[in-house]
Amino acid sequence: EVQLVESGGGLVQPGGSLRLSCAASGFAFTSYWMHWVRQAPGKGPVWVSRINIDGRITTYAGFVKGRFTISRDNAKDTLYLQINGLRVEDTAVYYCARAMSGYYMDVWGKGTTVTVSS
Amino acid sequence: QSVLTQPPSVSGAPGQRVTISCTGNSSNIGAGNDVHWYQQLPGAAPKVLIYGNNNRPSGVPDRFSGSKSGTSASLAISGLQAADEADYYCQSYGNNLGDLYVFGTGTRVTVL
Repeated sequence: EVQLVESGGGLVQPGGSLRLSCAASGFAFTSYWMHWVRQAPGKGPVWVSRINIDGRITTYAGFVKGRFTISRDNAKDTLYLQINGLRVEDTAVYYCARAMSGYYMDVWGKGTTVTVSS
Repeated sequence: QSVLTQPPSVSGAPGQRVTISCTGNSSNIGAGNDVHWYQQLPGAAPKVLIYGNNNRPSGVPDRFSGSKSGTSASLAISGLQAADEADYYCQSYGNNLGDLYVFGTGTRVTVL
């Protein structure tokens, strides 16, 4: 079964950091670009970042402004998102998703919740 | 940050047909980029319903169909069922580097 499982979310104070992980299974992880997408409470999904198959090409949404770093470990079939300088407005469920060549996401994880609050 | 506009809600009786619009601009849908649709059931992750404007992944009933014209797209649900109550989002590709993948504002479908 194709599966993505996120972890690493939690309650963090403003200015803190978190590293989110996404473990992939059931497919050839090294053959796919991957995304992070977030969804704030009561809002729609917002694309955060994408990474190519070998990790050398990364792209970020404009609001990231250097605070997020996407990476992957193909030996572990795992995708990461390092988030620094957390802000209240970063509070959201963070999903990892598999990228398809038609510029959409065909497999999503269940998400991990990040809450930024003092 | 949503740059694709959808109606906040649509509703219909069981068995009826409803449509959801998705309006973009010349930087995304109007630039010739495909539109995709996701269904999000309460408490769940989004799931792709339609990709490439009008293609259904395996397992998605043919009651769901998509179309695209100019700077807009539509999702139609025919034979509405209680299980279709969910939030629906369109998504396309944008030509701005900082906003490559754009989602719609979302539409809540209610079955009366």
